[in-house]
Amino acid sequence: AQRVTQPEKLLSVFKGAPVELKCNYSYSGSPELFWYVQYSRQRLQLLLRHISRESIKGFTADLNKGETSFHLKKPFAQEEDSAMYYCALSDPGNTPLVFGKGTRLSVIA
Amino acid sequence: DTGVSQDPRHKITKRGQNVTFRCDPISEHNRLYWYRQTLGQGPEFLTYFQNEAQLEKSRLLSDRFSAERPKGSFSTLEIQRTEQGDSAMYLCASSLSGRGSYGYTFGSGTRLTVV
Repeated sequence: AQRVTQPEKLLSVFKGAPVELKCNYSYSGSPELFWYVQYSRQRLQLLLRHISRESIKGFTADLNKGETSFHLKKPFAQEEDSAMYYCALSDPGNTPLVFGKGTRLSVIA
Repeated sequence: DTGVSQDPRHKITKRGQNVTFRCDPISEHNRLYWYRQTLGQGPEFLTYFQNEAQLEKSRLLSDRFSAERPKGSFSTLEIQRTEQGDSAMYLCASSLSGRGSYGYTFGSGTRLTVV
C-alpha cells in the first residue's frame, strides 16, 4: 500500500537558517512525488514535483529511491515560508494522490 | 475561470441531518477528486471522477457518503444522517487525466460542523 510519512509535526527555524522537511514513502514501484503548501488562510497549492527537478521559491527536493525519501530543502529560510507543508505520492498510472500528515514550518525572525 | 470553487464555505448542521456540498472544477479538467481533512491530518482521499464516471468509491467512509458528477462538470458530495465524527474540512480538487505530474488544483474547501 502507498504510504507517505512526515515524521515532524512542527519544525521551527530561525530566519536565514537552512530548512529540511522530511518525507519518506512506501511504494514498490517508481512513484511520482509532490510537495504541496498551505499558507495561512489560503488553499492547498502545488509547490513542486520531483519530475520537473525545479526550484520554486528557493525550495528543492530530490527523490532518493534507495532511501525512499523526498525531503524538501531550502538553504536560507524566510519568514514568508511559514506554512503547512504536505508531501504527496501518486503512481505513474495517476491514481489519486496520497498525502502525508504534514509538517508545520515556523520561521522565527 | 477562477479555479476550483466549493460551496458552501461553511456548514453547521444538526446530527442526523443530510448535507450536500458542491464543487465546480476548472472547466478544462476532466478529473475531480474529493478529500477529507481533519485537524492535524493530511488530506484523506474519498473518491474521484473522470468525466462523469466514478472511478473509485471504495474509500468513501461509509454508505452514508455518496458523490455524483452527472454531466462531467460540477460534482456533489452528500452525507446522510450526519454524525459528529463527520465534522471536517471537505476538499475538492481537479486535474487533467494523464497529466498527474502537473498536480491538482484544490478548492478552498467546505468546513462541516455537526452539532
